[in-house]
Amino acid sequence: GAGVSQSPSNKVTEKGKDVELRCDPISGHTALYWYRQSLGQGLEFLIYFQGNSAPDKSGLPSDRFSAERTGGSVSTLTIQRTQQEDSAVYLCASSLGEGAQTFGSGTRLTVV
Amino acid sequence: ILNVEQSPQSLHVQEGDSTNFTCSFPSSNFYALHWYRWETAKSPEALFVMTLNGDEKKKGRISATLNTKEGYSYLYIKGSQPEDSATYLCASVGEYGNKLVFGAGTILRVKS
Repeated sequence: GAGVSQSPSNKVTEKGKDVELRCDPISGHTALYWYRQSLGQGLEFLIYFQGNSAPDKSGLPSDRFSAERTGGSVSTLTIQRTQQEDSAVYLCASSLGEGAQTFGSGTRLTVV
Repeated sequence: ILNVEQSPQSLHVQEGDSTNFTCSFPSSNFYALHWYRWETAKSPEALFVMTLNGDEKKKGRISATLNTKEGYSYLYIKGSQPEDSATYLCASVGEYGNKLVFGAGTILRVKS
């Protein structure tokens, strides 16, 4: 597509439920990143996919968080047993190698 | 692990003022330095990607310089306008690391 597409744009979930966030990167972009921005905080790196290499998961805050990227394209970020502190805007970005990243419009997750 | 630092944390200027802020990053194993502008309720937007020591890039009233030997980049805005109000993020990637590491950003507010 023309840009990075994320869905849903908003998600309200009950504490303890699992959620899945989707990112559809720009076609042909080899790199895909997940970030989050909690209230009043900066951009926090979560996970990075580059081509067929093993993902860099060093930013995932706990083992409740996981992500996969199927066929080198669409990525899903899964949060299991959501907690209130997981409430944030989750941003996905893609790039061609280490070039400038194009960001999606984000998913605002609210855990109640 | 890269530590990317930005200063000042926030800046308030009058319309028409010129301003600049700093991004510092580890100079060893440097590969690239990115600048992004992040307006409220929008996604971060790439401004510049810089790789060469002494590089200077310009986009309208915004320009940036890069010193890879001492590990800093400056972003300049000439004749600030209210629409320049945003958070300005820099990010660096080292030669042997693949992911961008973002600074916390500089919040710019331009009053008319």
